[in-house]
Amino acid sequence: QQQVKQSPQSLIVQKGGISIINCAYENTAFDYFPWYQQFPGKGPALLIAIRPDVSEKKEGRFTISFNKSAKQFSLHIMDSQPGDSATYFCAAMNYGGATNKLIFGTGTLLAVQP
Amino acid sequence: NAGVTQTPKFQVLKTGQSMTLQCAQDMNHEYMSWYRQDPGMGLRLIHYSVGAGITDQGEVPNGYNVSRSTTEDFPLRLLSAAPSQTSVYFCASTPPDRANEQFFGPGTRLTVL
Repeated sequence: QQQVKQSPQSLIVQKGGISIINCAYENTAFDYFPWYQQFPGKGPALLIAIRPDVSEKKEGRFTISFNKSAKQFSLHIMDSQPGDSATYFCAAMNYGGATNKLIFGTGTLLAVQP
Repeated sequence: NAGVTQTPKFQVLKTGQSMTLQCAQDMNHEYMSWYRQDPGMGLRLIHYSVGAGITDQGEVPNGYNVSRSTTEDFPLRLLSAAPSQTSVYFCASTPPDRANEQFFGPGTRLTVL
């Protein structure tokens, strides 16, 4: 059972457009929701993260929107650039739990066309 | 700091062979973990360790062994490789003061024929 469901599997956006990736989770014990960015041939790297006490977090062109009641969160990339082309993973964890286990979504391959 | 390093970068094995994927970090991180990445499956946790001498199973541990004799090293052993273990393997570590962030290595691409 996939605890964190991510969509779409792939996304093509024109330069300057908005990229939107969605995730949904099941476990209400999750209280930390990061997004990781992975370029080809590299390991994932933390991009931005949110705790459920806020509904939105913005860092530059990247924004996370969080809907606790719906158990959904999404990544918005404003003014998308070709350099944003990468695979994006949402994830969730129980920050106060005994371990630091991250549960990842299945990933979204983003291609930003010039 | 070199961060998280993994060797080898690429490996081809025959079914039934054994091998060890190496992972090391020089950041004095206690928490380390191994993931495998497969198309359409995301990153799945294989094993993790909260410190030297302590390991535990993740989501997909079958066919893999780990040990943690030092803080720096966390090798992953494939005892008898199977084609289903063809994947890209990532090691990650977490700093004690930022328990919410994992630093990933560059990965090892493994093919089992």
